Amino acid sequence: DQQVKQNSPSLSVQEGRISILNCDYTNSMFDYFLWYKKYPAEGPTFLISISSIKDKNEDGRFTVFLNKSAKHLSLHIVPSQPGDSAVYFCAASHLPSGNTPLVFGKGTRLSVIA
Amino acid sequence: DVKVTQSSRYLVKRTGEKVFLECVQDMDHENMFWYRQDPGLGLRLIYFSYDVKMKEKGDIPEGYSVSREKKERFSLILESASTNQTSMYLCASSQSGGALPDTQYFGPGTRLTVL
Repeated sequence: DQQVKQNSPSLSVQEGRISILNCDYTNSMFDYFLWYKKYPAEGPTFLISISSIKDKNEDGRFTVFLNKSAKHLSLHIVPSQPGDSAVYFCAASHLPSGNTPLVFGKGTRLSVIA
Repeated sequence: DVKVTQSSRYLVKRTGEKVFLECVQDMDHENMFWYRQDPGLGLRLIYFSYDVKMKEKGDIPEGYSVSREKKERFSLILESASTNQTSMYLCASSQSGGALPDTQYFGPGTRLTVL
């Protein structure tokens, strides 16, 4: 049973427009969420995170929104650039977890078209 | 900067061979993880370790074992490689507590092909 779901396997966006990647979770114990970006033949790199005490976290062109009542989070990229083309993974955990592993979604492949 | 290194980027082995994948991190992280990534299946956790000589099974431990004799090093072992273990293997580490607990930092991955 998937606890973290990314229902869109792929997304195509024009350069300069907004990219919105979505993630849903089922475990109400999750209170810390992360987004990772992965290029082919490389390991995932940490992008941005949010704890459940917030509903928004912003870092440059990347903003993560959290809707706890809907158990939904989204990553907004504005403006989208061709270098953003990658697979994006959503992940969740609950704090203070100490040693609980992250639970990852299956990823969404973003293609930014020039 | 956190650095996680993996011993090989590409590896080709034959069915039945014993395979060792090594991972080293330089940030004194307590936690280390092994995942495999397959198309359409995302990242699946194989094993993880909270501390030296500690190990825990992840979601898909069958056919794998691990070793953590030193804090900075976490090894994944395929006792008898099979073709269905052809995959991208990713190692990660994280610290317990601190400003970003649970944020995992990944190595570059090892693309293993079993013939």
